[in-house]
Amino acid sequence: EADIYQTPRYLVIGTGKKITLECSQTMGHDKMYWYQQDPGMELHLIHYSYGVNSTEKGDLSSESTVSRIRTEHFPLTLESARPSHTSQYLCASSDSSDGALGEKLFFGSGTQLSVL
Amino acid sequence: AQKITQTQPGMFVQEKEAVTLDCTYDTSDPSYGLFWYKQPSSGEMIFLIYQGSYDQQNATEGRYSLNFQKARKSANLVISASQLGDSAMYFCAMREVNRDDKIIFGKGTRLHILP
Repeated sequence: EADIYQTPRYLVIGTGKKITLECSQTMGHDKMYWYQQDPGMELHLIHYSYGVNSTEKGDLSSESTVSRIRTEHFPLTLESARPSHTSQYLCASSDSSDGALGEKLFFGSGTQLSVL
Repeated sequence: AQKITQTQPGMFVQEKEAVTLDCTYDTSDPSYGLFWYKQPSSGEMIFLIYQGSYDQQNATEGRYSLNFQKARKSANLVISASQLGDSAMYFCAMREVNRDDKIIFGKGTRLHILP
């Protein structure tokens, strides 16, 4: 069982609020990712990190930002939440020592964000 | 253009029957990996099976097998003896080594197992 945790599990918040979605993993994985998923749809990569102090934007443009100050922690922040940000956010990690091709993602349980 | 195509938005299968979920992919990279993930209604993503582009044999993991047809760029998931607990969304995904190792996902297939 993967040791990657996301909090909160559900978040309902008003427009304009600043929010931070937490993601932590205890597996020592160097790579971490944030995916955004609308109900019944595919996952879109919005941010990824290959190690401490490394962050990159993914394929889907997002107004959120991320930081990677510690290996185990990869929080996602929205400075001013809007209804268009309503979605599920999934955090994942992987271990590059597994070999480039076979390196699989371990996912957290996700945060379901609703912005009113 | 879609990199991963899953043409079956939804499927209904009788319990205990085998089921095949289709996945085709598009890449010009000779080195790539293919994955299948399961997402139950609770929302978490569960890794099921992996196939590397250079693997000669089809991958198997318990009741799951991957029917890898490289020339057709096809990586179908086969679930044998389906169970009620197999009802979920299933996503096919690909990693291309020359694309920053990012994993991209298909749109998914929702599988319903009928009692």
